[in-house]
Amino acid sequence: AQSVTQLDSQVPVFEEAPVELRCNYSSSVSVYLFWYVQYPNQGLQLLLKYLSGSTLVKGINGFEAEFNKSQTSFHLRKPSVHISDTAEYFCAVSASSGYSTLTFGKGTMLLVSP
Amino acid sequence: KAGVTQTPRYLIKTRGQQVTLSCSPISGHRSVSWYQQTPGQGLQFLFEYFSETQRNKGNFPGRFSGRQFSNSRSEMNVSTLELGDSALYLCASSPISSQFFSGANVLTFGAGSRLTVL
Repeated sequence: AQSVTQLDSQVPVFEEAPVELRCNYSSSVSVYLFWYVQYPNQGLQLLLKYLSGSTLVKGINGFEAEFNKSQTSFHLRKPSVHISDTAEYFCAVSASSGYSTLTFGKGTMLLVSP
Repeated sequence: KAGVTQTPRYLIKTRGQQVTLSCSPISGHRSVSWYQQTPGQGLQFLFEYFSETQRNKGNFPGRFSGRQFSNSRSEMNVSTLELGDSALYLCASSPISSQFFSGANVLTFGAGSRLTVL
């Protein structure tokens, strides 16, 4: 079984500042990793995913994440945030072989203020 | 290409009633998963269906059930509603294969059905 820990429940940041949302996972097998974003009153939208290959993954809206196997982390970063990035961000994991469902972290609320 | 459609978007029920939520997946997607989202527990997996068969079920009581039809549309039902069932219920579809889950086949989520139990 896999588990995900998002270390911050809320991250306040000023517009145009950089941001990092932290995610650590636990698994006894190889994994795939994902970041989803949820805007108010909406479902989840995929930001980016790590399946294999380069550990630096680029996603939509200028976000990127780095897979660190030794640290079992998959932190999400953006060099300059906008007001419109205010949303809840979820890190998720699944096993990379066999049958597996997605397991989500509890989410990090990113609050961008002017 | 139409996305995942969930109906109804909002509903209010009272304790003891039952509710049925509907999900129409993206055309061609054969796997449908359901999640419950609450402020306290976050996103919790309910069940996953593929080709009308429930392949996996999360840790929820038997009051929570679901089914999938031959056109891949899915419904979930909650009987004898409790206050704690108030949540956003999210459906997601995936072009999953019949043999294994590949992370490459990511989940596409609907906007959810927000259930309030009074």
